[in-house]
Amino acid sequence: GAGVSQTPSNKVTEKGKYVELRCDPISGHTALYWYRQSLGQGPEFLIYFQGTGAADDSGLPNDRFFAVRPEGSVSTLKIQRTERGDSAVYLCASSLMGGAHNEQFFGPGTRLTVL
Amino acid sequence: GDSVTQMEGPVTLSEEAFLTINCTYTATGYPSLFWYVQYPGEGLQLLLKATKADDKGSNKGFEATYRKETTSFHLEKGSVQVSDSAVYFCALGAGGTSYGKLTFGQGTILTVHP
Repeated sequence: GAGVSQTPSNKVTEKGKYVELRCDPISGHTALYWYRQSLGQGPEFLIYFQGTGAADDSGLPNDRFFAVRPEGSVSTLKIQRTERGDSAVYLCASSLMGGAHNEQFFGPGTRLTVL
Repeated sequence: GDSVTQMEGPVTLSEEAFLTINCTYTATGYPSLFWYVQYPGEGLQLLLKATKADDKGSNKGFEATYRKETTSFHLEKGSVQVSDSAVYFCALGAGGTSYGKLTFGQGTILTVHP
């Protein structure tokens, strides 16, 4: 079956611009996570959705970052007034339900470059 | 807060050599532990997991045992192949109100030569 998909695969933008990154989780998966991976590092947690609601947004670095999941499926990560330090690979993962025991399935990521 | 520390890499081995990648963690409560692998040009995928103390996860010849007393989850394989060349991430899945969000180590690059 289809895995987690993310679009675009690459995004180049200029400092100060607004960007949206999209995630399509595996059908039927209620839990959705966003992570950010900088070069040479492991992914870092940003936000977790259970259904339509953001159950944990403690990893969002500041109020320029926002994410939505209005129908409990597709999610969009939105970054306002982008900065060069936002350059990273943004990963989306989904699992059947939230919880420490459940496998998270990762998408291929969106590579964001802020010039 | 929760944290994961992996042995520094990169690791370079000859085919059929024994592999160990060390991983230790700090966590409150009772986390689950995972090894994820990222092959060249591919996304992160789960290699193995263990959900409670003394559990052993295994897959594709890789093994790791959840050691609560030493807070470790070292990855081992008896005989590596060229196709095992990849980046390996140890991760901790937090329980309770953390809903399973993953905390990752920094990753270990493994290169296996013929």
